[in-house]
Amino acid sequence: DQQVKQNSPSLSVQEGRISILNCDYTNSMFDYFLWYKKYPAEGPTFLISISSIKDKNEDGRFTVFLNKSAKHLSLHIVPSQPGDSAVYFCAASDTGTYKYIFGTGTRLKVLA
Amino acid sequence: DTGVSQDPRHKITKRGQNVTFRCDPISEHNRLYWYRQTLGQGPEFLTYFQNEAQLEKSRLLSDRFSAERPKGSFSTLEIQRTEQGDSAMYLCANRPRVGNEQFFGPGTRLTVL
Repeated sequence: DQQVKQNSPSLSVQEGRISILNCDYTNSMFDYFLWYKKYPAEGPTFLISISSIKDKNEDGRFTVFLNKSAKHLSLHIVPSQPGDSAVYFCAASDTGTYKYIFGTGTRLKVLA
Repeated sequence: DTGVSQDPRHKITKRGQNVTFRCDPISEHNRLYWYRQTLGQGPEFLTYFQNEAQLEKSRLLSDRFSAERPKGSFSTLEIQRTEQGDSAMYLCANRPRVGNEQFFGPGTRLTVL
């Protein structure tokens, strides 16, 4: 049972445009969400997070939106840069437990 | 660089051999996780330590897998009698005492021939 889903395995975007990566979850107990970026042969790097008490969190070019009623979150990258090309994972946590559940990732390619 | 180191970075072994991986976390981060990642998948939770106590183990962690964190510092993950299905990236992650973010090490890529 995949509790966290990233339905788009890949996305291509022109440099300077907006990249939107989506993530859906099924467990209503999840109350904390994170996005990670992963380059080949490296561990995931933390990007940005959001608590369920918020619907938006912004950090520089990265903004995460949370729609609790739809159990959906998205990561917006504006403007996209070639160095943003990587695999992006969303993760969800029920802070009453220890576990983080990761999605299967979306490979973003930013075209120069 | 997250400050989390893992050793070795790559390990090639023959089926049936035992392997051990090490994770050196950020010293003040008392919570430590092990994950396994296979191609096309996200990291899958294996086990969790708070200080030296192993508080949760995934059902993915068969009897051939064991993890330790003596004195709440570094951690080791041992796989006995390796199988080809154990081939994966093994990731260690830290979490500070306060906060919900996890910080990952670079991983150990295991190939079982």
